[in-house]
Amino acid sequence: DTEVTQTPKHLVMGMTNKKSLKCEQHMGHRAMYWYKQKAKKPPELMFVYSYEKLSINESVPSRFSPECPNSSLLNLHLHALQPEDSALYLCASSQYSGASSYEQYFGPGTRLTVT
Amino acid sequence: QQQVKQSPQSLIVQKGGISIINCAYENTAFDYFPWYQQFPGKGPALLIAIRPDVSEKKEGRFTISFNKSAKQFSLHIMDSQPGDSATYFCAASVTGNQFYFGTGTSLTVIP
Repeated sequence: DTEVTQTPKHLVMGMTNKKSLKCEQHMGHRAMYWYKQKAKKPPELMFVYSYEKLSINESVPSRFSPECPNSSLLNLHLHALQPEDSALYLCASSQYSGASSYEQYFGPGTRLTVT
Repeated sequence: QQQVKQSPQSLIVQKGGISIINCAYENTAFDYFPWYQQFPGKGPALLIAIRPDVSEKKEGRFTISFNKSAKQFSLHIMDSQPGDSATYFCAASVTGNQFYFGTGTSLTVIP
């Protein structure tokens, strides 16, 4: 099973709201990623967690706050977003850096609209 | 700076034809080169991947050709079908730590 699940599928939020995106995988992967994808563009890396510790933060604004409660779960907390933050937010997972398998699997994404 | 350059931006192929998408890179430390297929509104799906010690890998109608000396790799889709119409991204990684994506190719297969 190579499934990464994400909830919700769609989210509309105002600029003053606080919301969270959730991601889950049960493949035993120890690296989990958040990407942002705009229409007709490649995924843009936001954060990487390796063994539940934040290992990469691609200079993402503080209105995005990641959290990795355990090895299977990844959250992205959203606060005071801007309309330009509207995008498809993708979660992905892979074994871990340096593993024998580098295969990275994506979830279906959360379509976020900021009004 | 674009770590992985992908071409063409869009591609139209007749049903049954061969679709070819090309990618080039500069960082010789890259050791893993996957291709992803993405349908509108969906997440990218891992299609096929190759390591630099292999020059070609085939899975069904999909083949990756890898030229280490030229620092190029390409995806060939044989017998292209309308269901293959999607956006394709190449990517590269060093030890699976961080993935660098190409800019994407929108493929349309005409019946």
